[in-house]
Amino acid sequence: DGGITQSPKYLFRKEGQNVTLSCEQNLNHDAMYWYRQDPGQGLRLIYYSQIVNDFQKGDIAEGYSVSREKKESFPLTVTSAQKNPTAFYLCASSIDRSRADTQYFGPGTRLTVL
Amino acid sequence: ILNVEQSPQSLHVQEGDSTNFTCSFPSSNFYALHWYRWETAKSPEALFVMTLNGDEKKKGRISATLNTKEGYSYLYIKGSQPEDSATYLCAWPMDSSYKLIFGSGTRLLVRP
Repeated sequence: DGGITQSPKYLFRKEGQNVTLSCEQNLNHDAMYWYRQDPGQGLRLIYYSQIVNDFQKGDIAEGYSVSREKKESFPLTVTSAQKNPTAFYLCASSIDRSRADTQYFGPGTRLTVL
Repeated sequence: ILNVEQSPQSLHVQEGDSTNFTCSFPSSNFYALHWYRWETAKSPEALFVMTLNGDEKKKGRISATLNTKEGYSYLYIKGSQPEDSATYLCAWPMDSSYKLIFGSGTRLLVRP
């Protein structure tokens, strides 16, 4: 089955620790995205990548880092510099970079900082 | 300020009722408007991508219209069913960077 997988589903982190959220897609999509959702707010873009070995900051990139070494993988690291990391994180991908391209989403990871 | 707004924030209807909600977006430099449905414990799923003023798209009992000149889109659900219960998101690509700006969604609950 083609799709996007994210792991883990739930993640607990102690303050001061870095954690990495996994995102893998087998759709052969060029573009990948990371979003964050907080209660009562829309999805906010953290980082996006339009092609392998290239990525750009979104609206709320501070305290996060990404890599895009392979087309199918776009891991997100939440660093200790992120002041309020507890949230729901969604990864998405799209075929290309067109503004009319549908984005396909993974099931999400819920991160809780203890 | 470039913002996408959705109303109402939440909606409770009875099974069989028809309903509609609104997405407002900046009308300048329009390129596309996306609608997604997000059911609890599932991934957001694309419903429509609309690109032309006056566009009307339909998928089963769900349809959407688009007015790019005034910057709004309506989503209609005819004869709501409990399985339509979800959050409906709209998103607007801000600029040539391909970033989607999402509204905060309309949460629909359909009571049996």
